[in-house]
Amino acid sequence: EAGVTQFPSHSVIEKGQTVTLRCDPISGHDNLYWYRRVMGKEIKFLLHFVKESKQDESGMPNNRFLAERTGGTYSTLKVQPAELEDSGVYFCASSLGQGVVFNEQFFGPGTRLTVL
Amino acid sequence: SQQGEEDPQALSIQEGENATMNCSYKTSINNLQWYRQNSGRGLVHLILIRSNEREKHSGRLRVTLDTSKKSSSLLITASRAADTASYFCATVYGNKLVFGAGTILRVKS
Repeated sequence: EAGVTQFPSHSVIEKGQTVTLRCDPISGHDNLYWYRRVMGKEIKFLLHFVKESKQDESGMPNNRFLAERTGGTYSTLKVQPAELEDSGVYFCASSLGQGVVFNEQFFGPGTRLTVL
Repeated sequence: SQQGEEDPQALSIQEGENATMNCSYKTSINNLQWYRQNSGRGLVHLILIRSNEREKHSGRLRVTLDTSKKSSSLLITASRAADTASYFCATVYGNKLVFGAGTILRVKS
């Protein structure tokens, strides 16, 4: 069974440009999460989809970030315009369930974003 | 903030030695997990310990949890070069994972 995949693995862009990251969750997983690790700091939650709906987007840093999950399958995270402080590793995860009872989140390999 | 903090921030040991990493958190938890991130690879779930457990083993991994001190430790025994990675503890807050800053472990062969 394929795991969570992310594309691209690495993106280098200039400040002010736009970048779109893609995440394909494990088939059948309704829950999809985005996290990021910026500048070697802790990994921080960005947002959580349940199917195509945003369940929690409290971690989105500002309105330069737009996440979508049309059709409830893959998700995209667009950064427009990118700033230097957006550099870091963006992780995607998916899980079968959610809630108080732990449902393991399976992580993808991450996309390393470098903004010059 | 519910974020956990790990110490040490970095640890360098010889192959075969044991490595111990500690994590502290701030709020009550249902469980605590440990993850590993190898360079260039994603996060791998290592082990989960529930709030009513004090110790758990998985292969060469041993995790302890002290809810009175809001702390956990991860022990890797007989370390190998392949254990070189960043290790993170994480707690669950609602539906999201809250990670600590991580410990960078380097195992020298």
